[in-house]
Amino acid sequence: DTAVSQTPKYLVTQMGNDKSIKCEQNLGHDTMYWYKQDSKKFLKIMFSYNNKELIINETVPNRFSPKSPDKAHLNLHINSLELGDSAVYFCASSPHTGRYTEAFFGQGTRLTVV
Amino acid sequence: DQQVKQNSPSLSVQEGRISILNCDYTNSMFDYFLWYKKYPAEGPTFLISISSIKDKNEDGRFTVFLNKSAKHLSLHIVPSQPGDSAVYFCAAPPPTQGGSEKLVFGKGTKLTVNP
Repeated sequence: DTAVSQTPKYLVTQMGNDKSIKCEQNLGHDTMYWYKQDSKKFLKIMFSYNNKELIINETVPNRFSPKSPDKAHLNLHINSLELGDSAVYFCASSPHTGRYTEAFFGQGTRLTVV
Repeated sequence: DQQVKQNSPSLSVQEGRISILNCDYTNSMFDYFLWYKKYPAEGPTFLISISSIKDKNEDGRFTVFLNKSAKHLSLHIVPSQPGDSAVYFCAAPPPTQGGSEKLVFGKGTKLTVNP
């Protein structure tokens, strides 16, 4: 009965490859996100979707393409992976985009590009 | 430019004592703050929040204090337990427009509670 689940948990791949991370939430939330936690441990928003529509794209390279087939899913596809893409990627969701609400996070996907 | 800062990367306390985790922010327009707790290999989980109309919010062993004049908030855990050992993040929706879709996070403080 995991609320926000993302797969895979670990991903090791070579530079130049294309990979996808999947995320699903069963909370009935309208809003979903992708966050990146880099080597300095900062958690930074990458994308936000509300009702399947992209609402935030925080200057992320075009190689990163999120896709939301429905409100419960937000997948992240990364083309031409680079060493600097190595990080932990967290999917999250919240009931809506209001200021006074919390986000619920998945367990993270540790991506290592070699 | 860090808008939400946690200047202590780590904190170690004895079981049963108080843990105090600090967070500073740069913009007085921040009006809502959240604390998240993160265990290794897991995602952050929401712990407690506070609105700027309050100066204190309590939930069991966890209390958050907000000092708006100092642009400072702190999370108190009393009594601390070994299971509280985790990384604690302070977060806030941006000071201008936007909400939960654009939370700003501090760098986190790793708390270790020793038995």
